[in-house]
Amino acid sequence: KQEVTQIPAALSVPEGENLVLNCSFTDSAIYNLQWFRQDPGKGLTSLLLIQSSQREQTSGRLNASLDKSSGRSTLYIAASQPGDSATYLCAVKKIGVGKFYFGSGTKLNVKP
Amino acid sequence: GAGVSQSPSNKVTEKGKDVELRCDPISGHTALYWYRQSLGQGLEFLIYFQGNSAPDKSGLPSDRFSAERTGGSVSTLTIQRTQQEDSAVYLCASSSPTGLDNSPLHFGNGTRLTVT
Repeated sequence: KQEVTQIPAALSVPEGENLVLNCSFTDSAIYNLQWFRQDPGKGLTSLLLIQSSQREQTSGRLNASLDKSSGRSTLYIAASQPGDSATYLCAVKKIGVGKFYFGSGTKLNVKP
Repeated sequence: GAGVSQSPSNKVTEKGKDVELRCDPISGHTALYWYRQSLGQGLEFLIYFQGNSAPDKSGLPSDRFSAERTGGSVSTLTIQRTQQEDSAVYLCASSSPTGLDNSPLHFGNGTRLTVT
């Protein structure tokens, strides 16, 4: 069974800081890993998808890395802004299984 | 449509009643997922449809839960004889025109179900 863990559960930082969110998974036989953002009362918005053959993906101030052998991914947010405040979730798609396995998320608060 | 559409956005029902939740995926997406998110919890997988294949129902918590996907498009999640523990946000997601394994998931805004 695939288990996905995100640490920390919550994080509060002042505006402008660079920060790292962590995601770990127990089974390295994955197709891909995806990072999402969830705002209160909303669904999930896809941020980045890393295929199992890739090491990282970048979009604007976001950079996601994947180390499949150690079962870890990080989401790096540069120069954080109050608008980045949200819950960030990671999900993995395991080989041979159609569904995605989600972590419980990291709730980020960026203070002005 | 431009995105995944779910209705209703909110549903309050009395314990014991049946409810139907609707999901309209992105046009052409062959994969459709239902997840449940309880307050402060992660996403719990319920069911997965891929094209004409038999759905993966392994996440449905009891036989009170069922889902259909008609014509490969719209899906309905039905909960019979609702219980208070069914209260949660029910999220629908779809992916890829071809069901490729490296296609991102696109979520709707969810239906918030409250059972009183």
